[in-house]
Amino acid sequence: KAGVTQTPRYLIKTRGQQVTLSCSPISGHRSVSWYQQTPGQGLQFLFEYFSETQRNKGNFPGRFSGRQFSNSRSEMNVSTLELGDSALYLCASSWDNVEQYFGPGTRLTVT
Amino acid sequence: AQSVTQLDSQVPVFEEAPVELRCNYSSSVSVYLFWYVQYPNQGLQLLLKYLSGSTLVKGINGFEAEFNKSQTSFHLRKPSVHISDTAEYFCAGTQGGSEKLVFGKGTKLTVNP
Repeated sequence: KAGVTQTPRYLIKTRGQQVTLSCSPISGHRSVSWYQQTPGQGLQFLFEYFSETQRNKGNFPGRFSGRQFSNSRSEMNVSTLELGDSALYLCASSWDNVEQYFGPGTRLTVT
Repeated sequence: AQSVTQLDSQVPVFEEAPVELRCNYSSSVSVYLFWYVQYPNQGLQLLLKYLSGSTLVKGINGFEAEFNKSQTSFHLRKPSVHISDTAEYFCAGTQGGSEKLVFGKGTKLTVNP
């Protein structure tokens, strides 16, 4: 089985722009979660989707949003980028609501 | 709210020595606990998990962890480390029924020859 895939792997954006990151879960997994990893704050939960519905949301501003499609693929969007949004964004999928499998991440740099 | 604390930010150790990476959690309800490893420029790989049952959990690459409810700990151990174990290790937990993983700050394990 193919693992979780994330595209793109690397991205450079300018302050004020918006960005969309994509995640394809493992086949059969209906839950997708997103995490932000930074040196200062560590790993923080952004949101989780299950069957196209957002079930959980972390403490991030409204500039961070996401969605899930009927094939379980998910996207997250960050609008009006700030320097502090530079991070590794990790996607994880799960079929049993317990064990999460992570993708390689998208490294976002905001200049 | 649940929190996870990793007591050591960096742990240097010599090859073939034993290692213990410490993790404490706080929760007033049932909890699932995990250890993940992250190699440079990669995502997280699950080492092992505790859901219920036996408190000694064995994982991949020779790692094991012991769930201790009275001490609210879930320390990771390996009896003999290799150079290839050099990585960052994260302890994480959820509350039953929630997908949200709460992570510790991570422990960088460096194995020296």
